[in-house]
Amino acid sequence: SYELTQPPSVSVSPGQTASITCSGDKLGDKYACWYQQKPGQSPVLVIYQDIKRPSGIPERFSGSISGNTATLTISGTQTLDEADYYCQAWDSSTVVFGGGTKLTVL
Amino acid sequence: EVQLVESGGGLVQPGGSLRVSCTASGFTVSSNYMSWVRQAPGKGLEWVSVIYSDGRTYYADSVKGRFTISRDNSKNTVYLQMNSLRAEDTAVYYCARKGVPDAFDIWGQGTMVTVSS
Repeated sequence: SYELTQPPSVSVSPGQTASITCSGDKLGDKYACWYQQKPGQSPVLVIYQDIKRPSGIPERFSGSISGNTATLTISGTQTLDEADYYCQAWDSSTVVFGGGTKLTVL
Repeated sequence: EVQLVESGGGLVQPGGSLRVSCTASGFTVSSNYMSWVRQAPGKGLEWVSVIYSDGRTYYADSVKGRFTISRDNSKNTVYLQMNSLRAEDTAVYYCARKGVPDAFDIWGQGTMVTVSS
């Protein structure tokens, strides 16, 4: 079955840039998206189609793709960005999530 | 306002059945791909099932043959019928809309399903 791999945790200082990666076989041939989830809340879409930002998502969130690795970048990270982040892609007619990355801002 | 509201969660014994519902407002479920995603306590997101706008359905291997996704267009509601429930099915079940290419743009608040004796 298809798998997406994320680092379990990433730490960043306030104001710095955080990068979270997501890798998968032939991911470059699919579209990757990213969700933010804070404790006790539902996931929120922050990036779709690799690089697009939904309305209402701050410009500090950006996405990129290189080969089979998608990257979520948060520029000027704020304490309120501390959350779990999940990448996701479609494989044929099924959906796959990465294992999630806990972003700590300290 | 575009939103999804899940209901029907609860405590069920192993081997039992439960149906959870997802009612949409502000858009039509039959015109969208609608999915169920679950999250076990302290764990990550796990995709469960999807129903396409043309009615085709797909399932994760972990629930295939036990869970059934369906919709009632007149009620603008999507359902997940869960049979032969196991302890490992314990999770918050979220309903989500695929409203943008290959991503879920609208999520419900989730409904908790606990499988325990």
